Amino acid sequence: SAVISQKPSRDICQRGTSLTIQCQVDSQVTMMFWYRQQPGQSLTLIATANQGSEATYESGFVIDKFPISRPNLTFSTLTVSNLSPEDSSIYLCTCVGASGGGGSYNEQFFGPGTRLTVL
Amino acid sequence: DQQVKQNSPSLSVQEGRISILNCDYTNSMFDYFLWYKKYPAEGPTFLISISSIKDKNEDGRFTVFLNKSAKHLSLHIVPSQPGDSAVYFCAAGPGTASKLTFGTGTRLQVTL
Repeated sequence: SAVISQKPSRDICQRGTSLTIQCQVDSQVTMMFWYRQQPGQSLTLIATANQGSEATYESGFVIDKFPISRPNLTFSTLTVSNLSPEDSSIYLCTCVGASGGGGSYNEQFFGPGTRLTVL
Repeated sequence: DQQVKQNSPSLSVQEGRISILNCDYTNSMFDYFLWYKKYPAEGPTFLISISSIKDKNEDGRFTVFLNKSAKHLSLHIVPSQPGDSAVYFCAAGPGTASKLTFGTGTRLQVTL
């Protein structure tokens, strides 16, 4: 399995500012993803973080609003830009294909999440 | 368009009894299904999975059943324990773990 840490664990931000969330995995992984869980909603995939290239965004999510970096196989950042109250959510980093771990390739391991509140 | 649905937002079960959590899906491209458990302030934890070539997968107290014709899966927990109290998410993907689509979750409360 993979152990994922996220920073910050929570933050309260003002409208119009940006927040960058860091995700660190304890081993090299094949794929990393970013999800969002809005209050009372399901988890929604924002994008696939590609190592060394631009992220692949899902319908409804754009790079200008959610720029993502993945400089290596263990680390990724998600920035939520120009914040509005609608961006108040839990943001989760996940990975697949942890090397050296047991279990199926098809397991996604989740980080603890970052709870963002926008005032 | 909710492609994965968990129609019961909450479920209360007595300790020692069976918990049955249900999930329906609409996308025929889904052929890999997973259940995750989530405690407050933590990320979801993988519980059990099943591929479309099977109709049942068992792991200890947890069994997942898949009915492809009905596009329905269920998670059975027997016997239920107080530590099982959490939110359970059903997820589905097109054969790989990428691009999982999640249900809205069912909050399970196991009472003494």
